[in-house]
Amino acid sequence: AQKITQTQPGMFVQEKEAVTLDCTYDTSDQSYGLFWYKQPSSGEMIFLIYQGSYDEQNATEGRYSLNFQKARKSANLVISASQLGDSAMYFCAMREVLSGSARQLTFGSGTQLTVLP
Amino acid sequence: DVKVTQSSRYLVKRTGEKVFLECVQDMDHENMFWYRQDPGLGLRLIYFSYDVKMKEKGDIPEGYSVSREKKERFSLILESASTNQTSMYLCASSTQRRGTGELFFGEGSRLTVL
Repeated sequence: AQKITQTQPGMFVQEKEAVTLDCTYDTSDQSYGLFWYKQPSSGEMIFLIYQGSYDEQNATEGRYSLNFQKARKSANLVISASQLGDSAMYFCAMREVLSGSARQLTFGSGTQLTVLP
Repeated sequence: DVKVTQSSRYLVKRTGEKVFLECVQDMDHENMFWYRQDPGLGLRLIYFSYDVKMKEKGDIPEGYSVSREKKERFSLILESASTNQTSMYLCASSTQRRGTGELFFGEGSRLTVL
């Protein structure tokens, strides 16, 4: 079974609007971390936001927020007030502390976001 | 700032050639990783290392080997390159001593095997 599922291969959003990128995960661990990365066309992977499984509040970093629904095992990324520079590939990833290696991240297949002017 | 440097951005090799991909990080991270990125498949872990001379297989280690002789350097080796190894290779490092344990990535090495 896929550990990280991103069901949206591509998304479009109008500039200045908000957009939600979906991510669901599968783990039997109680302790895990969820990450979102951005990969522009230049190729570098940029860390955006982190949510720990025991964090009670949703993580936020500037225009990025993580909508964490533990019971549903979802960790959607919300980008508010989209900008043209947000056009990129976005990856959701998970680290399992107990059952998996506590060091490595498992990545989803990614969502290509295009912001329209 | 953490810097992870990969030796080559673009490489073109022929089937059967030996290929070395080098990665150096400057933040004294104990963990280093090699991922492979292919369209529609995301990033898949090839090998990782949590200490000098230590290595562990990831999800797709077949056809690859690694070397970590110094803490800052982690090399990926393709002993006999094949066309199905044409891909983007991403090196990353991390520490569990502070922060969230997020991975810091290099710029990637795009390998084409003819």
